Amino acid sequence: DAKTTQPTSMDCAEGRAANLPCNHSTISGNEYVYWYRQIHSQGPQYIIHGLKNNETNEMASLIITEDRKSSTLILPHATLRDTAVYYCIVSDTNAGKSTFGDGTTLTVKP
Amino acid sequence: GAVVSQHPSWVICKSGTSVKIECRSLDFQATTMFWYRQFPKQSLMLMATSNEGSKATYEQGVEKDKFLINHASLTLSTLTVTSAHPEDSSFYICSARLGGRAGGTKNIQYFGAGTRLSVL
Repeated sequence: DAKTTQPTSMDCAEGRAANLPCNHSTISGNEYVYWYRQIHSQGPQYIIHGLKNNETNEMASLIITEDRKSSTLILPHATLRDTAVYYCIVSDTNAGKSTFGDGTTLTVKP
Repeated sequence: GAVVSQHPSWVICKSGTSVKIECRSLDFQATTMFWYRQFPKQSLMLMATSNEGSKATYEQGVEKDKFLINHASLTLSTLTVTSAHPEDSSFYICSARLGGRAGGTKNIQYFGAGTRLSVL
């Protein structure tokens, strides 16, 4: 699986959009980008995934650059409950397993 | 989204005893489940991949005789920590791969809530 690089931590004001970047410059053509988050002392939660097109669901939006070397997860209106560690993972569907990096600790502040 | 149940949520045991952790996919069948462990302030570390009806595949450095994995059905995988020692104390998390669908969706993992193991 391609390696990802994320900032260690970020802050966001409550009600504002949180934009979490991820660099995956070695991504290959058949690898998808997945985002998960882990709230303290809980199991991770799936957020969204994409291949090359931008994606949106009820939780977030995923913007993938045209060259696919980076992506941004957008939480449009962050709340205090969005405070968590966010993991960006790149994975081939045939590989099955995923490698978690250190992620970004997002702190949403009142 | 799909639901994965993990039990127990926490367990305290004496050194030398064995502890079994269950991971169930409640509303979907999972041919592949994963077991992770997580130390405080660290990321998830994959221990093994559990495939229904076959032997688990362990990551390098993980002792298969110490961490026994059984995936006897499409909805249940178990992890048994044998002869537990204090250094095995950790947060253990399972996940189930959605599978069975096209494209990237089949690789989505749904996670259990985790099991906090404390070995005295």
